[in-house]
Amino acid sequence: QSVLTQPPSVSGAPGQRVTISCTGSSSNIGAGYDVHWYQQLPGTAPKLLIYDNTNRPSGVPDRFSGSRSGTSASLAITGLQAEDEADYYCQSYDSSLSAYVFGTGTKVTVL
Amino acid sequence: QVQLQESGPGLVKPSQTLSLTCTVSGDSISSGSYYWSWIRQPAGKGLEWIGRVFTSGSTKYNPSLKSRVTISVDTSKNQFSLKLSSVTAADTAVYYCARVGASRTFDIWGQGTMVTVSS
Repeated sequence: QSVLTQPPSVSGAPGQRVTISCTGSSSNIGAGYDVHWYQQLPGTAPKLLIYDNTNRPSGVPDRFSGSRSGTSASLAITGLQAEDEADYYCQSYDSSLSAYVFGTGTKVTVL
Repeated sequence: QVQLQESGPGLVKPSQTLSLTCTVSGDSISSGSYYWSWIRQPAGKGLEWIGRVFTSGSTKYNPSLKSRVTISVDTSKNQFSLKLSSVTAADTAVYYCARVGASRTFDIWGQGTMVTVSS
């Protein structure tokens, strides 16, 4: 029962820009807790992609960017590449649940 | 670099206890700089946080699993462990161990281990 809602899928042609939304509530994103994003390539463990809403760990291409506003956050991928085809998850903390929470996940398909 | 590796039985019978261990290399759990966590993912589904442990042994669990979960740490072996009791088929999943970095991020993950609950 994820408390962060993401679209099940998004798609785009190579080179295009796609965005993934992550909608929360006043007890998680809206309460000011940071949002983080993970990329999960097929058959592998998730990998931290964006932390603290907008920051990229070393080695993550600047094609990936994050933002947060109100009770929502977004991940943008510009210049979409075939290797970006993966599942993406947002993550935050929920004060009502006293738990780390993940988004429902979004599958990105490169057409 | 820091690496995490899960280990444990891949098959557990219903009503029994699932037990997994995560071995940390390249960092000392005793450093006290991080929390250490378990996360699971049923096939084709999303991620679910199970719980976390600190060097001191203090724990925090997902309320939805709290009654069945125990996470512990063994600093002498640089390991932390998960026990999930009274398992059912719904507990079948890939189980990941992860380091909890700053800002409550899961910054380093193990490769995951598949656990099937079946008689």
